[in-house]
Amino acid sequence: GAVVSQHPSWVICKSGTSVKIECRSLDFQATTMFWYRQFPKQSLMLMATSNEGSKATYEQGVEKDKFLINHASLTLSTLTVTSAHPEDSSFYICSARWGNIESEQFFGPGTRLTVL
Amino acid sequence: RKEVEQDPGPFNVPEGATVAFNCTYSNSASQSFFWYRQDCRKEPKLLMSVYSSGNEDGRFTAQLNRASQYISLLIRDSKLSDSATYLCVVNVNTGNQFYFGTGTSLTVIP
Repeated sequence: GAVVSQHPSWVICKSGTSVKIECRSLDFQATTMFWYRQFPKQSLMLMATSNEGSKATYEQGVEKDKFLINHASLTLSTLTVTSAHPEDSSFYICSARWGNIESEQFFGPGTRLTVL
Repeated sequence: RKEVEQDPGPFNVPEGATVAFNCTYSNSASQSFFWYRQDCRKEPKLLMSVYSSGNEDGRFTAQLNRASQYISLLIRDSKLSDSATYLCVVNVNTGNQFYFGTGTSLTVIP
């Protein structure tokens, strides 16, 4: 299957700082990338959908100014958590897809963010 | 109301047992359906897509009931390696959005 990487895999930061997470599709061009958040013992919650070269579509309740998404190329999307707070501590997972809505999403390994 | 609802379990079954999970979805415009498997602290991986006619892959059978708005996953002859969380995923065409269920935890016991 296709490979999606995320970097970093784990990050600890102080409250108030910004953290950037990268999501790369390594062996395919992703027309659409998704960002999810997963709290312990809960399911993935879709945060936003991004298509290359256009603005991300955020889910209700997700602050676009706090979670900045850039999808500059067909192989790279970034999520920046701005002015992080302890409640932002979570597992952030990206996924990528190259086809239509019936195509498989391939998930990255996730980034564990801990905000002190 | 949540877009996708699943019984979180946990389901604890002996090896060799048959186990079934159901998942209901609220949006009748939903177009694509999937079952994903997620192992502890790992990313989800596609187990199988769910087609209108139902589909089978080895010990796994997935079915879709559009009238009642649910999908199901049947696992026959459970193996220890089947222990994981199974996530129901529904894609709503409008807005190109995927929604995940909370997942059903399965533990297969020797």
